[in-house]
Amino acid sequence: EVHLLESGGGLEQPGGSLRLSCAASGFTFSSYAMSWVRQAPGKGLEWVSAISGTGGDTYYAESVKGRFTISRDNSKNTLYLQMNSLRGEDTAVYYCSKGITHFGYWGQGTLVTVSS
Amino acid sequence: QSALTQPPSASGSPGQSVTISCTGTSSDIAAYNYVSWYQQHPGKAPQLMIYEVNKRPSGVPDRFSGSKSGNTASLTVSGLQAEDEADYYCSSFAASNSVLFGGGTKLTVL
Repeated sequence: EVHLLESGGGLEQPGGSLRLSCAASGFTFSSYAMSWVRQAPGKGLEWVSAISGTGGDTYYAESVKGRFTISRDNSKNTLYLQMNSLRGEDTAVYYCSKGITHFGYWGQGTLVTVSS
Repeated sequence: QSALTQPPSASGSPGQSVTISCTGTSSDIAAYNYVSWYQQHPGKAPQLMIYEVNKRPSGVPDRFSGSKSGNTASLTVSGLQAEDEADYYCSSFAASNSVLFGGGTKLTVL
């Protein structure tokens, strides 16, 4: 059974940094692209970033390009999202998900709050 | 990268059918057969209902169906049931290896 577990969220000040992690199990992690999708409170879904199975290719939404970095450690079956220069509009629940063309499996999400 | 356009709300009575539209452009919905639909109940993670325009994951009732014409995709829910009341989001793979979501449609079962 596929299982995704996000962690690392919390309260951070504007301009600060956070690193999110997503521990994956139940599938051959290195064979699949992975994505981060976020949802601001009371708002819709927004795709944030994706990474290929090998980690060699990364993709970003314009809203986070240059501030966020996606990475993965296939030896640990773990996906990461390094978030720098955080802004208030980055406040959201961040979900990791398997795939990029569609998202069949989601974690429970981790809440990131950016506020002074 | 503009979001896909969905109606903010839709409704139907139990047993009826309802269709939710999702409009994009020639760079996303029209260009790729990678349209997907998600159902989200309050406080829960989204659930994949349709992928690659019209394919249903295992476990999704065949009351849910998807289609695409040009730059518009549609999700049809037939035989509406009370548990279908939720938010629905469309998504499409897009140019530059990006992904776009619609703004969401709140489906109310009357």
